[in-house]
Amino acid sequence: GESVGLHLPTLSVQEGDNSIINCAYSNSASDYFIWYKQESGKGPQFIIDIRSNMDKRQGQRVTVLLNKTVKHLSLQIAATQPGDSAVYFCAETISGGSYIPTFGRGTSLIVHP
Amino acid sequence: EAQVTQNPRYLITVTGKKLTVTCSQNMNHEYMSWYRQDPGLGLRQIYYSMNVEVTDKGDVPEGYKVSRKEKRNFPLILESPSPNQTSLYFCASMKGRGELGPLHFGNGTRLTVT
Repeated sequence: GESVGLHLPTLSVQEGDNSIINCAYSNSASDYFIWYKQESGKGPQFIIDIRSNMDKRQGQRVTVLLNKTVKHLSLQIAATQPGDSAVYFCAETISGGSYIPTFGRGTSLIVHP
Repeated sequence: EAQVTQNPRYLITVTGKKLTVTCSQNMNHEYMSWYRQDPGLGLRQIYYSMNVEVTDKGDVPEGYKVSRKEKRNFPLILESPSPNQTSLYFCASMKGRGELGPLHFGNGTRLTVT
């Protein structure tokens, strides 16, 4: 597969563990946030989003937490599976602006069977 | 199936030989964008388009051109490719101004310029 990044922060977990991936965003005016998953050889795929009027949002096996006070976003993956191995990006957007998202550098998640 | 399709997936070319990477989306999205992804640098925006006949420079536009003559297509043109344009390129689209939502990405074009 194609490497999407060198020197990325890496999180290694065992299959079945819960994973937490963190993201610090830069703009206090950002009010819409998205997590993407990028598997080797593919483009980023949408996982879950959250608006700034919420602190928490849950999907299937994933939960996003937003702490606006410290400009921090986290993605929690429950019962991590080998298929979750990928690079995860957060993106922030200002809804009243251009709507163009700003991407974080990404975190590489490695799930060991 | 809703998707963003870019072609080709892989392209090897020589310095100075003009090339075009095509991108098409079938979701009637207003907004389209091109990114390049390089190790350690993440996703960097090259150009974007808010709607037909409207294009704007992103963070790294030098050496690239785009056009948006139709809503569904947003080709990326390299008039005179150079080795520093060797990269992984992604086209993406989303609904557009006024409607928050995620970007939908194509599967990428791996370009090598020798």
